[in-house]
This record gives sequence, C-alpha cells and structure tokens, in this order.
Amino acid sequence: EAQVTQNPRYLITVTGKKLTVTCSQNMNHEYMSWYRQDPGLGLRQIYYSMNVEVTDKGDVPEGYKVSRKEKRNFPLILESPSPNQTSLYFCASSRFGRETDTQYFGPGTRLTVL
Amino acid sequence: DAKTTQPNSMESNEEEPVHLPCNHSTISGTDYIHWYRQLPSQGPEYVIHGLTSNVNNRMASLAIAEDRKSSTLILHRATLRDAAVYYCIRPNAGNNRKLIWGLGTSLAVNP
Repeated sequence: EAQVTQNPRYLITVTGKKLTVTCSQNMNHEYMSWYRQDPGLGLRQIYYSMNVEVTDKGDVPEGYKVSRKEKRNFPLILESPSPNQTSLYFCASSRFGRETDTQYFGPGTRLTVL
Repeated sequence: DAKTTQPNSMESNEEEPVHLPCNHSTISGTDYIHWYRQLPSQGPEYVIHGLTSNVNNRMASLAIAEDRKSSTLILHRATLRDAAVYYCIRPNAGNNRKLIWGLGTSLAVNP
C-alpha cells in the first residue's frame, strides 16, 4: 500500500531535549516536505526537499533542521525544542513537487514541549 | 499572498448532495484550484483539482466559474465518512509549486 509513515505519532518532551521525527514514503517520490498545523493558522510549510541532498526552507523553518540522505526518508530534527514548537506535524510527499502532483500526507505527529 | 475564502462550517444530511463554495478572486489564469480534505485525526488527503473546466472523479466534482473567481466542490451523496475539514487551495503567486492553505470548511454530516 502506498503510504507516508511518521514516527512517533505522539511525543511529550521537555525544553531543550533534542528530538527527531522520522518520515518515510514508499512511492519513490522525489519531493518531500514538513508542515506544522496550529489552531487558527492552518498548515504552514517548515522545510521541503526536491530530491536527495536538496533541501530548502519553507515558511517557518526557525528551530528546525532536516536532512535527505535517502530518497524515501526525510527526518525532522528539533535540536533544542521550545514550547512554541508544540504543534501537530505532518510529513508529505509527491512525485516531483509540481503544482499538479498529488500530495500524500502522513498521519501526523502530535508534539508537546513542556 | 491572498488565501482563498471559504465558510467556516457547513452542515448536510446523509445521502444528500453537498456544495462547498470557495472564492479565489485574485487567482491567476494559469493557477489550478486544489481541494484536499482532512478527516478527524488524520492527515490531509487529495480530493480533486482543476483549471478551467469542470472536473469529476470518484470522490467529487469540481465546478469552476467561468471567470475563475470562485469554485464549488460537489459531493453528490454525502456519507457520514465525508465529515471532514475541506480545504480549497491555490498556489503561491510567486511559486506555483507551493500551495497556500487556509482554515477550510468544517463539514458536519447528519444521519
């Protein structure tokens, strides 16, 4: 089954403790991205990647890092999480990142930073 | 960049058609209109997209106004599983690879 998986689904952590949220897709997609979803603000893009070793900032990249060493994986790294990064995070992928390419989203990771 | 305009919420009865409106008055002539939906506790999923003419797929129909300033997503027979937030999305004016997400319309379906 074609899918985007994220782990963990839920995470409670404390300020400053480094964490990584993993994302993997099995559709051989070149384009992957991370979003955060907050009440009243909708989905906002954090980072995206057009292909292996090619990443770029989205709208709200501060406090996040990403890497794309393999085509299927696109982990989101929070080096020093802060409470304002408490949010619902979604990973997405599409074939080439073109406007008309369907985006496939993961199930989400709910992060709470205390 | 201007987001699209959608009603905050709508209500429908099961097995009746649902028409979800969207205004996108500043959209350019070459930008597609996209619709995604987000079921409770899930990630968004693709519904449909179109440019000028009406579009149909197994999930829904998309009717685009002739002046392209508005569009309507049509669910022909709503089911309880269609209860979700529906997003009408347009691309960023400077980068059409990037879609601008608003807050969507929360659709409730009554049995």
